[in-house]
Amino acid sequence: ETGVTQTPRHLVMGMTNKKSLKCEQHLGHNAMYWYKQSAKKPLELMFVYNFKEQTENNSVPSRFSPECPNSSHLFLHLHTLQPEDSALYLCASSDPGLAGVGEQYFGPGTRLTVT
Amino acid sequence: QKEVEQDPGPLSVPEGAIVSLNCTYSNSAFQYFMWYRQYSRKGPELLMYTYSSGNKEDGRFTAQVDKSSKYISLFIRDSQPSDSATYLCAMSKGNKLVFGAGTILRVKS
Repeated sequence: ETGVTQTPRHLVMGMTNKKSLKCEQHLGHNAMYWYKQSAKKPLELMFVYNFKEQTENNSVPSRFSPECPNSSHLFLHLHTLQPEDSALYLCASSDPGLAGVGEQYFGPGTRLTVT
Repeated sequence: QKEVEQDPGPLSVPEGAIVSLNCTYSNSAFQYFMWYRQYSRKGPELLMYTYSSGNKEDGRFTAQVDKSSKYISLFIRDSQPSDSATYLCAMSKGNKLVFGAGTILRVKS
């Protein structure tokens, strides 16, 4: 596997379900990100992890719970979601260095539908 | 006012045309400027990454940054049907990227 991988690619869940999204990066990067992409809207940054520590929570509702057990893996745990949470969820990684954010590399995304 | 403005299109051009995609921004604190390409059902793919004002060329792609006008552009020469995608501009502020909404480009053969 190369680059950034995400599983599952598609997920349909009811509002009372609990599910998790998984992201793995094979680039040796130290920072990982979750984004939400809705139709006709800019990518919305959700969470940032640097060296496994959460450094950014962009006012995300608590029904989204991230977990970063090591620099290569990132999870997004979902529970009691709303239909408006249906979107493409993208994971990215970068090697920030001294330049701040660095070049971010994205996975293919998980298409989430909440029914 | 949005921090980054980008015309969503769609922009439709014939094969071989020169394409110009643009973004404007309001925050002088943005340091790095990027262009991503996103095909349908795929994640964004980094195309160009620039820091200073001026031009940066890579094959058929040229990225242009004008910090005084807070304006960035991506030019695609000899456009191909395979260039049909959504193009996202992005700008860095600290450890975060702020994205434009994306411009849909369609290149007709």
